[in-house]
Formats: sequence, structure tokens, C-alpha cells
Amino acid sequence: DQQVKQNSPSLSVQEGRISILNCDYTNSMFDYFLWYKKYPAEGPTFLISISSIKDKNEDGRFTVFLNKSAKHLSLHIVPSQPGDSAVYFCAASEGNTPLVFGKGTRLSVIA
Amino acid sequence: DAGITQSPRYKITETGRQVTLMCHQTWSHSYMFWYRQDLGHGLRLIYYSAAADITDKGEVPDGYVVSRSKTENFPLTLESATRSQTSVYFCASSQVAGYGYTFGSGTRLTVV
Repeated sequence: DQQVKQNSPSLSVQEGRISILNCDYTNSMFDYFLWYKKYPAEGPTFLISISSIKDKNEDGRFTVFLNKSAKHLSLHIVPSQPGDSAVYFCAASEGNTPLVFGKGTRLSVIA
Repeated sequence: DAGITQSPRYKITETGRQVTLMCHQTWSHSYMFWYRQDLGHGLRLIYYSAAADITDKGEVPDGYVVSRSKTENFPLTLESATRSQTSVYFCASSQVAGYGYTFGSGTRLTVV
């Protein structure tokens, strides 16, 4: 039973446009959500996070939105740049338990 | 240099062989984790450790053994490798279990 779902395996966006990556979760006890970015042949790196007590967190070009009632979060990248091309993983945790990751979405930003 | 290092970066082994993947961190983080990345499955937790001599199973522990005699090391052993264990393995560390992970660069393991 997958607790964190990223239903879009891939996404292509033109440079300068907005990229929206989506993530759904089933465990209502999750209280912390994160996005990781992964380039080929490298480990995932932390991008941005949000606590369940908030509905939005912004860091430069990256914004994460959380809709607890819909059990849905999204990552917005504005404007998208070619260097943003990577696999993005959504992750969630419940209290002090290990992160549960989604399957990832491969973002391609086309120049 | 401070960080988290995995070795080897690449490994090819035969079915039935024992193989150990190494992970070393220099931050003195309490928690360490092993994940595997497979196409169509994302990152799945194999084992994790909250401190030296404390380990616990994750989502996919079968066929793997871990130990943590020292805080900085968390080796992962495949006792008898199978083709289904062909994967990219990532080690991570953090001060708490729920966030703040730093990942190593990964070990690509191929079982033939």
C-alpha cells in the first residue's frame, strides 16, 4: 500500500514557464513533508519542506503548497530553468519515523 | 572532509555471493538509513538505525543484514545476493528520523 504517491512519472516544461509537480498521500498522521531533487549518479538532495501546520512555504523560485483536506501537496518552480531538470521525490514522515518516499517525477526543462 | 560517503560506487557480483556495502558519516548523526532506488518503485527503506547497536527494519528488509557497532558506520550486507537485489543503494544520515536527511552518492549494485 503506497502511502506517498506521485502519479506523473515525467513532466516536460519550457524554460521560463512554471513547473508544477504533484504528490498525494494516504496517511493522515503525516506531519512533515519534503521535496528532494536528484540528478543522475548523485544522491538525492533536500529542496524544500513544509510542516502540516502550514499550507505554504516558499524558498526563492520554489514553493510548496499543502492541502491537508485533500491530502495533496504540490511543488511549484517559477521560472523553470534547464538546471532544474532532475527527478523530484516527494517524502513524508509521521513524528520521529523514517521518511516515506514517492516514486519520483522526472522533470525536463526544455530550453 | 565532513560528509557521508558510500563505497564502492559500483559493484558487480554473482548470484549467491555475499556482498557488503559501506556507509560512513562524519557528522555524528544519530540516525542512519539504507534505501534502494528502483525504476517504478522510487526510494524504499531497507533498514535504519537510531543509534549504535539499535537497528530496525524498513519496508523491504528481506535478504539484507545491517549492523552498527560505531555511530559513524552503517554497513549493509547482502548475505546471498539475488538478481532482484540489483539496484542503486543510498545511505543517509540525520539527527532525527523524520527530516534533515543527507544522502550519500549511492552504490550501483549489479547481481549477475
